Amino acid sequence: SAVISQKPSRDICQRGTSLTIQCQVDSQVTMMFWYRQQPGQSLTLIATANQGSEATYESGFVIDKFPISRPNLTFSTLTVSNMSPEDSSIYLCSVDPGLNTEAFFGQGTRLTVV
Amino acid sequence: KQEVTQIPAALSVPEGENLVLNCSFTDSAIYNLQWFRQDPGKGLTSLLLIQSSQREQTSGRLNASLDKSSGRSTLYIAASQPGDSATYLCAVNGNNRLAFGKGNQVVVIP
Repeated sequence: SAVISQKPSRDICQRGTSLTIQCQVDSQVTMMFWYRQQPGQSLTLIATANQGSEATYESGFVIDKFPISRPNLTFSTLTVSNMSPEDSSIYLCSVDPGLNTEAFFGQGTRLTVV
Repeated sequence: KQEVTQIPAALSVPEGENLVLNCSFTDSAIYNLQWFRQDPGKGLTSLLLIQSSQREQTSGRLNASLDKSSGRSTLYIAASQPGDSATYLCAVNGNNRLAFGKGNQVVVIP
């Protein structure tokens, strides 16, 4: 199993500003994932972050809006840039899954943009 | 594209009743299926992982079944308790990507 610490747990931000979310894992992992969960909706994958390479973004998500860093095998950050109220969501980081392994999630960051 | 549907979207049951939560998916080419619990405004807690070769998986009061050919999974929670109140999410793993349903929002009434 993997224990994931995600910070901050929640924040209220002004529109036009940026917020960086941190995700720390207690073991080395190859792949880390960032998800968004809008109110009342399911989880949507934003991007996959591998150490030593650029993150791979899903359709509808761009690097300028959601820059991601992955400096080593236990840490990643997601920045939500130039925020608007539509960015108000829960953001979650996850590790794995491999083909036959269990996925684990951080505690989530509840972001409100005013 | 994998589509995951969870029915019912919400349900309330009296304490002690058994819970039956359903998950269906459109593409049966999956590696595994995972059930999660999510408390309001929080992250996801893994409950059960079923590999594609398995028919069911059990942990305590929880039992999950998988019928890959028909694209269905069911989560059973026996003798529900108020602490079981949460949203339960089903996620299907195909090619290292998780596709999620919208969840079953459960309220257990004392």
